[in-house]
Amino acid sequence: EIVMTQSPATLSVSPGERATLSCRASQSVSSNLAWYQQKPGQAPRLLMYGVSTRATGIPARFSGSGSGTEFTLTISSLQSEDFAVYYCQQYNNWPPFTFGGGTKVEIK
Amino acid sequence: QVQLQASGPGLVKPSETLSLTCTVSSYSISSGYFWGWLRQPPGKGLEWIGTIYHTGTTYYNPSLESRLTMSVDTSKNQFSLKLNSVTAADTAVYYCARDEEFERGPVGWFDPWSQGTLVTVSS
Repeated sequence: EIVMTQSPATLSVSPGERATLSCRASQSVSSNLAWYQQKPGQAPRLLMYGVSTRATGIPARFSGSGSGTEFTLTISSLQSEDFAVYYCQQYNNWPPFTFGGGTKVEIK
Repeated sequence: QVQLQASGPGLVKPSETLSLTCTVSSYSISSGYFWGWLRQPPGKGLEWIGTIYHTGTTYYNPSLESRLTMSVDTSKNQFSLKLNSVTAADTAVYYCARDEEFERGPVGWFDPWSQGTLVTVSS
């Protein structure tokens, strides 16, 4: 099973600033990496798949990069609605599909 | 726009069977895509449970496979989950979601998701 590790666990950022979230896989997942956003009391929402392809309706301030075992989600200028928990997920080697433990982006 | 709704009992006794149904609207599940179940224990991360195709082909998480059965009812546009011999560790918010299809197999990313349904395992 591929283990996904996200860092940091919590990221404190001021509105308008850039946020950089990291995700590491225990072995290569090629470019088969997705990101989700989850707000309190809500279901996760797909942000990105294939490392860097934004899902429908996702604003351009969200971008993804990386390949193999190291990945980054960048939010270029944090808006109030972006404060949430973010999860990475690999779909390269399965079963099972596996998720990281999440990074909480909070207001500084 | 496709919508999914998960439903089922909110409380299940230990050692009994957890049963949930996902109803899909605005899209016929017979038309394609794969359909998955995922869960999230309170305050914790996400876990993939399993995925099913409208033909009944299933893919299960090995950690749950011995207790898990998924099925599909195309006439009702629903798919279902049964997890037997539950314990407190199965207490979680359960979600159903759509998985992309590629070359007759699931891709593995999920969009959209249902609202979650909390299932508590307790006597």
